[in-house]
Amino acid sequence: NAGVTQTPKFQVLKTGQSMTLQCAQDMNHEYMSWYRQDPGMGLRLIHYSVGAGITDQGEVPNGYNVSRSTTEDFPLRLLSAAPSQTSVYFCASTPWGGGQETQYFGPGTRLLVL
Amino acid sequence: QQPVQSPQAVILREGEDAVINCSSSKALYSVHWYRQKHGEAPVFLMILLKGGEQKGHEKISASFNEKKQQSSLYLTASQLSYSGTYFCGTEKAAGNKLTFGGGTRVLVKP
Repeated sequence: NAGVTQTPKFQVLKTGQSMTLQCAQDMNHEYMSWYRQDPGMGLRLIHYSVGAGITDQGEVPNGYNVSRSTTEDFPLRLLSAAPSQTSVYFCASTPWGGGQETQYFGPGTRLLVL
Repeated sequence: QQPVQSPQAVILREGEDAVINCSSSKALYSVHWYRQKHGEAPVFLMILLKGGEQKGHEKISASFNEKKQQSSLYLTASQLSYSGTYFCGTEKAAGNKLTFGGGTRVLVKP
């Protein structure tokens, strides 16, 4: 199993550009999440999904969109990049999300918005 | 609401012990502990459910005091490999979203 994979590893954007961060998992996990981590800070939940076709907002959803058409993939779209979105983005998956479950994190995408 | 971790940072000599606390103002269902090395993704350590159970992972253990809504992570006889940032994540109910604390930076020196 590859686990949770994220692409790209690094990205530089100009203000106003849009892009999609890719996340995929091959563990057949139902629950997937996107977090952002700013320097020296903890993880903040952006969006999450409890299964294909179901998504919901986390703590900091503004400026981001998600969709979940398959169990495996959970892309995060930046609609119009802003410097405040410079961060490290982590995708995570969990077998069910019903508590007592480990979250498996991807390696992260480092995003710089100029 | 974000749980509060203390201390924010701790420096240890190899072999010393440390305690990291994670407190919430809300009733909790579970507390999750993760460790993150610099430039890497967080890695799961353990989960504690309400009921005050204690768990262990190598020489790292944790407890959950349901009455105080506080969890403590114990680093015993610390090793150089214990260096990193430790995060607690809390759930208010089963299947609920995880909310992470701000992290505690641990540096273990030889």
